[in-house]
Amino acid sequence: DTGVSQDPRHKITKRGQNVTFRCDPISEHNRLYWYRQTLGQGPEFLTYFQNEAQLEKSRLLSDRFSAERPKGSFSTLEIQRTEQGDSAMYLCASSLVGRGLTSGANVLTFGAGSRLTVL
Amino acid sequence: AQSVTQLDSHVSVSEGTPVLLRCNYSSSYSPSLFWYVQHPNKGLQLLLKYTSAATLVKGINGFEAEFKKSETSFHLTKPSAHMSDAAEYFCVVSERMFSGGYNKLIFGAGTRLAVHP
Repeated sequence: DTGVSQDPRHKITKRGQNVTFRCDPISEHNRLYWYRQTLGQGPEFLTYFQNEAQLEKSRLLSDRFSAERPKGSFSTLEIQRTEQGDSAMYLCASSLVGRGLTSGANVLTFGAGSRLTVL
Repeated sequence: AQSVTQLDSHVSVSEGTPVLLRCNYSSSYSPSLFWYVQHPNKGLQLLLKYTSAATLVKGINGFEAEFKKSETSFHLTKPSAHMSDAAEYFCVVSERMFSGGYNKLIFGAGTRLAVHP
C-alpha cells in the first residue's frame, strides 16, 4: 500500500493521559500536514512540515500538542494531559511540492485518520 | 480571509436522479477550489480541483463542478446518483500566495449525501 498510513486507528484514553499518533506519508512526498476533525465539522488545519522543518502551526495547536518529523519521513503528533475537548479524528496528509510541478493545486493525499476518545 | 459555506448539511436523492451539492466561497486572491469525499472509515479522497484553468471541472466517478466567479460559487453536480455515492462531501478553498509557501486548505462543514433506492 503506497498511501498515507496512520496508527493507531482508534485510541481511547482517560483524561490527563498522554497519547501519540504516528503518520507515514507517501514516501516521495516532501510535505506533511496534520488536521483535526470533530463530529459534524470539516477538518481544521493544525500544522505542516516541509521535509523535517515545521513551517506553520495553527492557534488550535496549544502547548499541550507537539508534532515532529525528525528525518523528514514519518511524523508523530503527541498530546499531553489530554482533555475531553481533544476528542476528535486526527488526520494526516502529504503532498509533493517543488519547482517544475504544477503550482496552485497542492493536492493533498489523506490517511484514514486516528480517532481519539478522551473519557 | 478565506472561507467556505456549504449551503446544505444534508442532501437526499433517489438513485438515478441528479445530485447538486452547493458551495460558496470567499477569497481575497485567486483561489484554488477542491471537492473532497469522505466515506466511513476511509480517508478523504479528492474528487476534483479548480486552479484557474477551465471553469467547468470534471472529476472522478462522473462528478463535475463549475467555478462561477460572479456568484463566488463552486457547486458539485452529477447527472445520475449511484448508491455508492452516499458519503460526506467537503468543499475546500486554498488561496494562491505570491510569495509561495503553503496555502492552508479551508474546509467547509460538509454535506452528507444520502442515496435511496
